[in-house]
This record gives sequence, C-alpha cells and structure tokens, in this order.
Amino acid sequence: AQSVSQHNHHVILSEAASLELGCNYSYGGTVNLFWYVQYPGQHLQLLLKYFSGDPLVKGIKGFEAEFIKSKFSFNLRKPSVQWSDTAEYFCAVIADYKLSFGAGTTVTVRA
Amino acid sequence: DAGVTQSPTHLIKTRGQQVTLRCSPISGHKSVSWYQQVLGQGPQFIFQYYEKEERGRGNFPDRFSARQFPNYSSELNVNALLLGDSALYLCASTPPGTWNEQYFGPGTRLTVT
Repeated sequence: AQSVSQHNHHVILSEAASLELGCNYSYGGTVNLFWYVQYPGQHLQLLLKYFSGDPLVKGIKGFEAEFIKSKFSFNLRKPSVQWSDTAEYFCAVIADYKLSFGAGTTVTVRA
Repeated sequence: DAGVTQSPTHLIKTRGQQVTLRCSPISGHKSVSWYQQVLGQGPQFIFQYYEKEERGRGNFPDRFSARQFPNYSSELNVNALLLGDSALYLCASTPPGTWNEQYFGPGTRLTVT
C-alpha cells in the first residue's frame, strides 16, 4: 500500500522568504503525485501534479515541485511567499484510484 | 461552472444515530470519491464510485456505506455513529477520460456528541 510522509507539521516564515516543504512517498508502482492546498475556510484545491516527463513541475501561484525518483521525494517550493500563502498543504500519491494524503503542513506567513 | 457541492455544510448527531451525507459532482464527471478528514490529519479514502459501481474501498468499517445514483450524485451513510466519526467528510469527482485527477467539494463537518 502506498503512503506519504510530510516532514514538517508547522512552518512559520515571513513574507518574501523562500518555502520548501518536504514530501516522501512509499509506493512500488508508477507514481502520480500531487500537492493540494487548503486555504482557511476553503476547500482543497490542486496546486500541481506530476504524472510523467519533466520532473520539475510548475503549478499555480508560483509554486513548483521536483520529483526525485531515487529519493522517493516530491518537495514543494516557492521562492518568495506572500501572506496569502498561509494555508495547509498536503502531498498525495494516487494508486488504484485512491488518493493517499500526507498529514499536511500548516504554513503561516507573517506580514 | 459549479464545482462539487455537498450538503449539509454542518451536522451534529448523537452517538448511535445514523447520518446521510450528499454530494453532487461537477457536471459531466461520472466518478465520485469520499474521504474522511479528522482534525490535524490528511484526508483518508473511504470509497470511490464510478457509473454507480463501487470501484474501491478504504479501510473503514461496514458502518460506512455509499451509493451513486443515475445522475452521478452520491450519498455516504454512516450507521451507529461513534465519537471518533467526528470529522470533515469530503467528496471529490473525477473528469471523464482521466482516472487520476480529483476535484474536491467544501465538505460536510460532522460532529458526534
């Protein structure tokens, strides 16, 4: 069975700081990987996805993620965060139609 | 276009009662999945339905059941509620022609007292 591990539970940073959230997965098959974001009071939204091809994928709002197969990782990055990036971020892997999520990382951006 | 809709938004039930949650997928989407999100954790897969057939089931007890209707809307039923069933229940729909993209609704917040 697949599983996802997110390294940080809560990250606090200032505006304009760089963000990197770690994600490792465990799955033996071909992976499809996702990052979802949940802004306060809103529903889960897809930030970006990796299915195949270029391991560096770009998503919405300036986010990007890098798939490193040898490390079973799919880390999320943003060079310069804004206050509006305050949210909970979830890494997920899909197999057999089931999305398996990590526990999530709460990101708080201070103005 | 309307996204995935769920009803009700909030629900308070007592232990031992039964609850039914409803989901309408995005127009044209034929597959619906249900997830449970307990506070402080990521969503956990409960069921997926496609064309009214159950396609997958997560590690949840038989108290949890679901069905999908001809219009592709879905219901999740939970019987004999326990305090631990308190959670946000999320519904997601999948576009035709793909099996690996899911779009989530706002969820139903269930509180069991």
